[in-house]
Amino acid sequence: GALVYQYPRRTICKSGTSMRMECQAVGFQATSVAWYRQSPQKTFELIALSTVNSAIKYEQNFTQEKFPISHPNLSFSSMTVLNAYLEDRGLYLCGARDWGAKSAETLYFGSGTRLTVL
Amino acid sequence: GDSVTQTEGLVTLTEGLPVMLNCTYQTIYSNPFLFWYVQHLNESPRLLLKSFTDNKRTEHQGFHATLHKSSSSFHLQKSSAQLSDSALYYCALSLANSGTYQRFGTGTKLQVVP
Repeated sequence: GALVYQYPRRTICKSGTSMRMECQAVGFQATSVAWYRQSPQKTFELIALSTVNSAIKYEQNFTQEKFPISHPNLSFSSMTVLNAYLEDRGLYLCGARDWGAKSAETLYFGSGTRLTVL
Repeated sequence: GDSVTQTEGLVTLTEGLPVMLNCTYQTIYSNPFLFWYVQHLNESPRLLLKSFTDNKRTEHQGFHATLHKSSSSFHLQKSSAQLSDSALYYCALSLANSGTYQRFGTGTKLQVVP
């Protein structure tokens, strides 16, 4: 079956430092990877959509300078939160799609990375 | 732009009563995919249901929903609530074959009490 491993599950960083999270797709090809953030008491906001061999598209209020993303192949994607501050805390989630699959509309989600900023 | 609306932030029900969580959507595209996700405390969202077909009921784990394109709705229902159903429920919209992502609604917290 299709699985997405996301790590770390939890991380704590000091204000002003950076942290990186990674997603590994197993059993399918992660043609597109969407990165979301769920801030406390809020819904999932899309940060950016990354497609292999295409430019990464960031949503309004999110920038490459703050959330650089790497999507080098069909099984791996990473995102870094640079200079993390209190407002960056929350659950970060990657969701991967396989455009070539029968259920191409399905997003396979990782388990999430919960970021705490001190 | 595309959007998903979940009007209830919190629904509190007594165990055994029927569940209905509302979801409506807006999109200019004629073939959206609609999803329901369930998120338990400190967990990531898990796919509960999805549908692409107009007026066809889809079921999973006792929950069901029917996509009605005429009213742009995809309400989640269950005949009898259980205590274990207490969780956050998110409705999401995806546009198949457009290269876009899933857009989530604001979520509805379902609290089932004895």
